[in-house]
Amino acid sequence: NAGVTQTPKFQVLKTGQSMTLQCAQDMNHNSMYWYRQDPGMGLRLIYYSASEGTTDKGEVPNGYNVSRLNKREFSLRLESAAPSQTSVYFCASSALAGGFEDTQYFGPGTRLTVL
Amino acid sequence: QKEVEQNSGPLSVPEGAIASLNCTYSDRGSQSFFWYRQYSGKSPELIMSIYSNGDKEDGRFTAQLNKASQYVSLLIRDSQPSDSATYLCAVIGSARQLTFGSGTQLTVLP
Repeated sequence: NAGVTQTPKFQVLKTGQSMTLQCAQDMNHNSMYWYRQDPGMGLRLIYYSASEGTTDKGEVPNGYNVSRLNKREFSLRLESAAPSQTSVYFCASSALAGGFEDTQYFGPGTRLTVL
Repeated sequence: QKEVEQNSGPLSVPEGAIASLNCTYSDRGSQSFFWYRQYSGKSPELIMSIYSNGDKEDGRFTAQLNKASQYVSLLIRDSQPSDSATYLCAVIGSARQLTFGSGTQLTVLP
């Protein structure tokens, strides 16, 4: 039981390049989330999926797209990376559908640098 | 004004002391409150949740909520060096999304 896994762990991109961050959970959770964490800013919600087949914007969605591929997997895509997207990205999941009230379990994070 | 504000610290306490971490929030419609612990270079983990006014105790941790004052706190009794981490306050507000504070860095000195 790996919990929430994220790939890659580290990534360096050049401005304008694209990439997809992968997230998978093996806890049969219904809700999944993507956050970014910047120094002094705490965690900010980018997108979330309250159940399989649905996605919604969070606080900072601009420059990102997401896909809830199936119940296990939730990917985050940067179509044209910018230096402002340099951050640590965390994926999380929770058991209940639409369940912000529920305990969120976080993956280990992806450290992304955009040059 | 940030929706969720915490003293950024750093906060240092001696081993065995009580560490007090504070958080205020601006959305009066907030109903659910959480404390996460994050060790350096690691991901956040939930340590306490509180939904009603008053105190909630779990081992050495006590969460306190005062909705009238829009204030939530975390007390750590008998602090240990292993408690050294950043503590994140998180609130579910009227928009039904989880909003985090910027965190308070705690160091427990042996």
